[in-house]
Amino acid sequence: KNQVEQSPQSLIILEGKNCTLQCNYTVSPFSNLRWYKQDTGRGPVSLTIMTFSENTKSNGRYTATLDADTKQSSLHITASQLSDSASYICVVPGGRGGFKTIFGAGTRLFVKA
Amino acid sequence: ETGVTQTPRHLVMGMTNKKSLKCEQHLGHNAMYWYKQSAKKPLELMFVYSLEERVENNSVPSRFSPECPNSSHLFLHLHTLQPEDSALYLCASSPQRIGTGANEQFFGPGTRLTVL
Repeated sequence: KNQVEQSPQSLIILEGKNCTLQCNYTVSPFSNLRWYKQDTGRGPVSLTIMTFSENTKSNGRYTATLDADTKQSSLHITASQLSDSASYICVVPGGRGGFKTIFGAGTRLFVKA
Repeated sequence: ETGVTQTPRHLVMGMTNKKSLKCEQHLGHNAMYWYKQSAKKPLELMFVYSLEERVENNSVPSRFSPECPNSSHLFLHLHTLQPEDSALYLCASSPQRIGTGANEQFFGPGTRLTVL
């Protein structure tokens, strides 16, 4: 069964600290994995996409990693800011044509001053 | 966020009411999606339209009825809903091309629906 599991479910950190969010997937065949950020009251916005051949990709203070062998991805946030408080959702396409997308339940991050 | 708009942003309705959610995308995309997002649960895909044809219907109850009159507009007609249907309903679009899986979905802000 195609699944995407994220941990932790929620996380509280102090402003300026780093954190790492985890995503494990069992989707097959695998083509790519996206991390989305969803602010409260808004729709998700794509942060980065990892394709099969990529191991690490950075987008500002966000760094995503992918291990296709163990089917794991992580999102590392450096020097967190209050505006990083949001849900972070791991997403993997599944099914023919890529229309069916498998979403993780997300990690709710709270950054406190 | 202005690429995909949704109205209304908030909706409260009784179980006997009929209402419609509207989504409009200004990105020239070919595919549009309806998702349901409940607290602490993954987004649930409800419907997908590609070039105005429905390509996915994820076992959604018939009290939810989608309509896609053109590639820029998507509606979700609601009737005789249940309290458990209360959730955030998100619309998304993507430049979807058959055979590719890397296309990003662009989401609207959602409609927060409460069924009394």
